[in-house]
Amino acid sequence: AQSVTQPDIHITVSEGASLELRCNYSYGATPYLFWYVQSPGQGLQLLLKYFSGDTLVQGIKGFEAEFKRSQSSFNLRKPSVHWSDAAEYFCAVVLIELGDTGKLIFGQGTTLQVKP
Amino acid sequence: EAQVTQNPRYLITVTGKKLTVTCSQNMNHEYMSWYRQDPGLGLRQIYYSMNVEVTDKGDVPEGYKVSRKEKRNFPLILESPSPNQTSLYFCASSLYLAHYEQYFGPGTRLTVT
Repeated sequence: AQSVTQPDIHITVSEGASLELRCNYSYGATPYLFWYVQSPGQGLQLLLKYFSGDTLVQGIKGFEAEFKRSQSSFNLRKPSVHWSDAAEYFCAVVLIELGDTGKLIFGQGTTLQVKP
Repeated sequence: EAQVTQNPRYLITVTGKKLTVTCSQNMNHEYMSWYRQDPGLGLRQIYYSMNVEVTDKGDVPEGYKVSRKEKRNFPLILESPSPNQTSLYFCASSLYLAHYEQYFGPGTRLTVT
């Protein structure tokens, strides 16, 4: 079935450690790709997006993500995590090549806990 | 301040009692959308609207209605709520389409007993 998958439901890292959150998609075409973050009790905020071009994209709050077509992945990274990064992170896609410009499809989310 | 507002923020209701959750944006955005968030399922799109009087189904439209009579407002209507519609609901808007940055409201926590 076509989907967006975030394999890790929950991740705990120590403050200052590096972080990688995984996202895989299974669609016939390459979608537009996004990472959103949801802080506790808040709505979602866009971290970064990939449409085309350079496969390494920079976002806000020191995050970056790399698109790998061969692996159908768009993993989110941060070199040094801060306690304020504790939140839920969502990968999302828009199936532009299929003409589905109105639908934003989310993964299940990954909850990040940061240990002091 | 540019924002998306939702009302109410919290609602407890009973099965079958019609309710409306309002959503309003002050950014002159063309695109608006409703999502529900459930543990382990992420956010799922209910309905979206690309412009006034233009609405379309998302992935989970059953049991919901929407209307877009004005650009700034996009209410979500539950004609006959059921317990399986207990969820956290988010409204969002963007300049044009789904791949433009979505601006989310603060959420509405709905409980149907």
